[in-house]
Amino acid sequence: SAVISQKPSRDICQRGTSLTIQCQVDSQVTMMFWYRQQPGQSLTLIATANQGSEATYESGFVIDKFPISRPNLTFSTLTVSNMSPEDSSIYLCSADRGLNTEAFFGQGTRLTVV
Amino acid sequence: SQQGEEDPQALSIQEGENATMNCSYKTSINNLQWYRQNSGRGLVHLILIRSNEREKHSGRLRVTLDTSKKSSSLLITASRAADTASYFCATDGVNDYKLSFGAGTTVTVRA
Repeated sequence: SAVISQKPSRDICQRGTSLTIQCQVDSQVTMMFWYRQQPGQSLTLIATANQGSEATYESGFVIDKFPISRPNLTFSTLTVSNMSPEDSSIYLCSADRGLNTEAFFGQGTRLTVV
Repeated sequence: SQQGEEDPQALSIQEGENATMNCSYKTSINNLQWYRQNSGRGLVHLILIRSNEREKHSGRLRVTLDTSKKSSSLLITASRAADTASYFCATDGVNDYKLSFGAGTTVTVRA
């Protein structure tokens, strides 16, 4: 497995602003992902962060709202743009080393938009 | 959308008892993974079971997989207060690296 450091761990933001969440893995990984977990709900995949190219977004999520970067094999960022109270959620970074390997997670970022 | 459905949604047991939760899924899978989440924090990986495996153990955890019924179960034996958490199953499809998560089971272990 590997250790994922995600920051910030929590933040309270004003509506209309943007927040960038960072995810750092302590060793090289193949795949990196970003998930959203709304209060009391399960995890929903936002996008796959592709190294050196544009992220692959799931249905219902768009690049303008959730721009993602992955400049190398161990680091990724997710920005939540033009936030509204509906964006209040836990955002989680995940990584794995390809098919048939376990996926491990950061500690999450608890975002509250006021 | 989530592929997995878990039941029960919530489970309350006495310390020392066993806890069993189930996960069903809809399409063929490569692997099924179980995770624990404490109080809305990050997910802790518990067990990965491959589609050609039927049972796996890790400490007090036992996972079974029945691909003919598209279901899995997680058994926690001799539960402790520290086992209080939400438990999620997650599946990846054949040749699909993305995980789909179930709705989760919230387990409360009473002292």
